[in-house]
Amino acid sequence: EPEVTQTPSHQVTQMGQEVILRCVPISNHLYFYWYRQILGQKVEFLVSFYNNEISEKSEIFDDQFSVERPDGSNFTLKIRSTKLEDSAMYFCASRALRGGEETQYFGPGTRLLVL
Amino acid sequence: GNSVTQMEGPVTLSEEAFLTINCTYTATGYPSLFWYVQYPGEGLQLLLKATKADDKGSNKGFEATYRKETTSFHLEKGSVQVSDSAVYFCALNPNRDDKIIFGKGTRLHILP
Repeated sequence: EPEVTQTPSHQVTQMGQEVILRCVPISNHLYFYWYRQILGQKVEFLVSFYNNEISEKSEIFDDQFSVERPDGSNFTLKIRSTKLEDSAMYFCASRALRGGEETQYFGPGTRLLVL
Repeated sequence: GNSVTQMEGPVTLSEEAFLTINCTYTATGYPSLFWYVQYPGEGLQLLLKATKADDKGSNKGFEATYRKETTSFHLEKGSVQVSDSAVYFCALNPNRDDKIIFGKGTRLHILP
C-alpha cells in the first residue's frame, strides 16, 4: 500500500540554524500539508500546498518557514533560523483529488529538537 | 469557528473492557469526521472516518457514528486489547480543501 515517507526521522540542531525536512507524498496525490505536534499537545496545521503554491497557512507559519516542491516527488519544509520553540514532531500529509477522496494520509513524522 | 473537543485522558482500562472515547465538534457546513491513532513512537494513522450524517466508520473493531443532531463522533470498541494502547485523536475536515482540525488527543492505557 502506498504511503507518505519522511526524512530524517530525527534531527537535532542548534538554535539559529536552518533545517530542511523532507517528505515524499503518495505519488498520485495533489494536495500537500505540513502539521506539527509540540510534545504533549495537539496536532496543529501549518500549511497546505497545491499546484505549486501555498493554499493556506496558519499564524504559526511565519517568515521563518517556507515550503517547496523542488521536483516531482519531494515536498520540503524549511525553517530558516530555528528557535527553541520549533522543537516538535513535524508531520507531512498528502491527499488525492479524484473521486471525492478527501482523506489526508500522514507520514511517520520528523522529530526536531532545537538546542 | 471549527473545533473538536474530546474527553481528557489518560483513560486506563483492563483488557477486554468496553471503550468509549467521547468527541464532539463545532463546524460550519457538513464536515468529514475522523479518528486517527498514534501508537508509541509512531506517526498518525487513520483509524476510521465518516463523511456524512448517520455514517458509521469502522476498523479493527473500533466504530464511530456521525451524529449530526448531537454533533458527536464517539469512538467505541467492545473489547480492548493491550495493543490498543495509544493516543487517539478525533478530527474534522470542514470541506475537501481545508486543513484537518484535531482534538487534543486521548491517551489510552490497556492493562493486561
